[in-house]
Amino acid sequence: DAKTTQPPSMDCAEGRAANLPCNHSTISGNEYVYWYRQIHSQGPQYIIHGLKNNETNEMASLIITEDRKSSTLILPHATLRDTAVYYCIVRVAGTSGSRLTFGEGTQLTVNP
Amino acid sequence: NAGVTQTPKFRILKIGQSMTLQCTQDMNHNYMYWYRQDPGMGLKLIYYSVGAGITDKGEVPNGYNVSRSTTEDFPLRLELAAPSQTSVYFCASSYGQGASNQPQHFGDGTRLSIL
Repeated sequence: DAKTTQPPSMDCAEGRAANLPCNHSTISGNEYVYWYRQIHSQGPQYIIHGLKNNETNEMASLIITEDRKSSTLILPHATLRDTAVYYCIVRVAGTSGSRLTFGEGTQLTVNP
Repeated sequence: NAGVTQTPKFRILKIGQSMTLQCTQDMNHNYMYWYRQDPGMGLKLIYYSVGAGITDKGEVPNGYNVSRSTTEDFPLRLELAAPSQTSVYFCASSYGQGASNQPQHFGDGTRLSIL
């Protein structure tokens, strides 16, 4: 799996958009970008994933640059419950038996 | 929506005792996984299964055993508990077929202390 780089921490005001960046400059053509988050003392929660097109679901939007070397997770209206560690993971599809490699992630703190 | 359910949520064991961590999922996922997470660290894969009757080792399998007799259940057994196995254990499942890109869905974990 390609290595990812994320800022260690970010702050966001409640109600504002949270934009979490991730660099994955060594990504291969068949590797997907996944985002998970882990709220303190809970299990990791899947957020969104994509290959090369931008993706949106009920939780967030994923913007992947044209060269696929970086991406941004957008939480459009952050709430206090979005305070968590956010992990960007790059992974080859079909690797069913391979583990998810959670790096250091970004600690997002949403402030009132 | 139940998703992935783990029991118990907390447990304290004495050194040398054995126990089984239960995991069940109701999403009809064929793949299931067991991870452990030590304080301040990332997840490490213990065992995984690609379907009923099939299991395989992850990166840290020593001291653990698993079985997969049904699609829904994937119990993790500790035979001789050791202090090094104090950790939070997460079970996960996913749907996979061929070049599947489907994400893994996690339970809320079992917090295990070995004293």
